[in-house]
Amino acid sequence: TQLLEQSPQFLSIQEGENLTVYCNSSSVFSSLQWYRQEPGEGPVLLVTVVTGGEVKKLKRLTFQFGDARKDSSLHITAAQPGDTGLYLCAGERGSARQLTFGSGTQLTVLP
Amino acid sequence: EAGVTQSPTHLIKTRGQQATLRCSPISGHTSVYWYQQALGLGLQFLLWYDEGEERNRGNFPPRFSGRQFPNYSSELNVNALELEDSALYLCASSWTSQYNEQFFGPGTRLTVL
Repeated sequence: TQLLEQSPQFLSIQEGENLTVYCNSSSVFSSLQWYRQEPGEGPVLLVTVVTGGEVKKLKRLTFQFGDARKDSSLHITAAQPGDTGLYLCAGERGSARQLTFGSGTQLTVLP
Repeated sequence: EAGVTQSPTHLIKTRGQQATLRCSPISGHTSVYWYQQALGLGLQFLLWYDEGEERNRGNFPPRFSGRQFPNYSSELNVNALELEDSALYLCASSWTSQYNEQFFGPGTRLTVL
């Protein structure tokens, strides 16, 4: 059983469309991070959320941490082909200093 | 500032051999993490080193081992390679801060034939 469940697993959309990716768990996390990984490269950190209900924006990307700190979402407005990649959420529980990664959402934005 | 570096980029071994993968963290980072990313799967945590000590390991057999050197660089060793060890091995580093933000290297693609 995956501790962090991401949905959808695969998403293919047209340029200009909006989308939301979800990251859910039954566990509480002290912080949650979102990464994007492109083929043949390592994941790149996009954002860290730490407070329940927190919303962070990064250009066209909006990240939200659930009130109970068990879930998170990533919303992309007006997606562009450059947004294509594998989006991974990762949570840290307590002070374990160890991240648990979700299985990822593979996003393809078609021109 | 240089990011996390890993070597080699690609490594091809045969079953039963040993593989050694190397990682240099971002300057100032004392923690190094190793992950395995098999095709179609997420990142599986392997090992965490901090200040030269192994702090935690994931659910992998003992033939996966490593160490961290005084300059905080790290080495991952995989003994008695099996076909299913073929994967992208990622190294990440972080500094001692309130939140464990990890910065990843480009990975080493290990292929076991």
